[in-house]
Amino acid sequence: DAEITQSPRHKITETGRQVTLACHQTWNHNNMFWYRQDLGHGLRLIHYSYGVHDTNKGEVSDGYSVSRSNTEDLPLTLESAASSQTSVYFCASSTGNEQFFGPGTRLTVL
Amino acid sequence: DQQVKQNSPSLSVQEGRISILNCDYTNSMFDYFLWYKKYPAEGPTFLISISSIKDKNEDGRFTVFLNKSAKHLSLHIVPSQPGDSAVYFCAASSGNQFYFGTGTSLTVIP
Repeated sequence: DAEITQSPRHKITETGRQVTLACHQTWNHNNMFWYRQDLGHGLRLIHYSYGVHDTNKGEVSDGYSVSRSNTEDLPLTLESAASSQTSVYFCASSTGNEQFFGPGTRLTVL
Repeated sequence: DQQVKQNSPSLSVQEGRISILNCDYTNSMFDYFLWYKKYPAEGPTFLISISSIKDKNEDGRFTVFLNKSAKHLSLHIVPSQPGDSAVYFCAASSGNQFYFGTGTSLTVIP
């Protein structure tokens, strides 16, 4: 069955370190998205991509970057982790009207 | 500025009764609306959707109503079951981008 996976599921890091969260989908969807979920804010869009080599900033993109070298993967990089980036991160993919979400990565920045 | 709002952070309902979750939006360009259900430690999963050309869509126990003039949609669950206890996110889209509400935590009491 096609799916979307995220790794790691849990990560603890220190302030200032670079962190990369992986997202891999096997649906062959062109559109991929990264969100963060925080209490009181719901799901906020960080970055998104509509295809290979395409990346776009979302609502809360500062301090994050993505790259899209193939259809299946959209890794999210925190260049220099900050405590404000402690959150649960969800990756999603879509063909258009519906998004499919990964299981999430809980990131703690100490 | 939050374009999609869920003003009730939580809702408790007796098993067998109706659950009504509400959502308001501000952007009249949204043309597709979705509800997602999220259990703890899992990613959101798609529940039901509605196009802006309709005012009602039904799928088993779940019905979504759309009132475009009021920019309001609601999700009705009848009858409510304990397994429905989860966080429900409403989302709206225009093109390939999705905007999510902050979520409503539903508890169905046996």
